[in-house]
Amino acid sequence: SQQGEEDPQALSIQEGENATMNCSYKTSINNLQWYRQNSGRGLVHLILIRSNEREKHSGRLRVTLDTSKKSSSLLITASRAADTASYFCATVSATGFQKLVFGTGTRLLVSP
Amino acid sequence: DAGITQSPRYKITETGRQVTLMCHQTWSHSYMFWYRQDLGHGLRLIYYSAAADITDKGEVPDGYVVSRSKTENFPLTLESATRSQTSVYFCASSESGGAGSPLHFGNGTRLTVT
Repeated sequence: SQQGEEDPQALSIQEGENATMNCSYKTSINNLQWYRQNSGRGLVHLILIRSNEREKHSGRLRVTLDTSKKSSSLLITASRAADTASYFCATVSATGFQKLVFGTGTRLLVSP
Repeated sequence: DAGITQSPRYKITETGRQVTLMCHQTWSHSYMFWYRQDLGHGLRLIYYSAAADITDKGEVPDGYVVSRSKTENFPLTLESATRSQTSVYFCASSESGGAGSPLHFGNGTRLTVT
C-alpha cells in the first residue's frame, strides 16, 4: 500500500510561476524525501527532511513538514521549463526497516 | 564513471519464460532495492538487500527472485513471466537504507510480457 499520496496529480503552470505540491502520509515517519523523475529516466533525489525538522531549503526548492497533520509540501519557486517532470514524495517509517515507500506522484508541466 | 546501471534497457518476453534484469552499482553502497513502476501505483518495492547475501521481501515480491553474491550486483529474476509483470523496473542503491541517505536510481528496464 502507498504511504504517501501526492496532490494534485497533475499541475500545469507558466514559466516564472511557483509550483506547490503536497504529500500526505499515514504513519509516523523517520524522514520524508522528495524525488524528481524526468520522462524515461530514473528518479533523482531532491531533498530529505527529518521528522524533527519543519522546513528545508535547497536552491529554488522549499520543503515543509507538518508531522501533526502528516503532510509535507514541495514549493518550486520561479519555475522553468526544465522543471517539467514528475515529483514523488517518499517516506521512511519511524519503526521497522529503513526503506522508502513512494507515493503516486505529481506531474508538473511548465510551459515557456 | 560511478553510478548505477541497469540492463537491458528494454526487454520483450513471452509468458512463462524466465528473464533476469541486471543491476550494477559502482559506489559500494550497502543497500540495494528493486522497485516496479506502474501507472496509478507509483513505485512499489519488490525486494531489497542490506548487504551481500542478505535479502528480504518488499511489498510485491511474488513471482520474483533476487540474489546478491557481490555487493555491486543485484539481479532480479522473473521465474515464469506473467503479463501482470509488464512494468518499468528500477534498481536503486543507498549507503544506509532510507534513514539518512538518499536512493540513487538507475534509468530503468522497460519489460513487456506478451
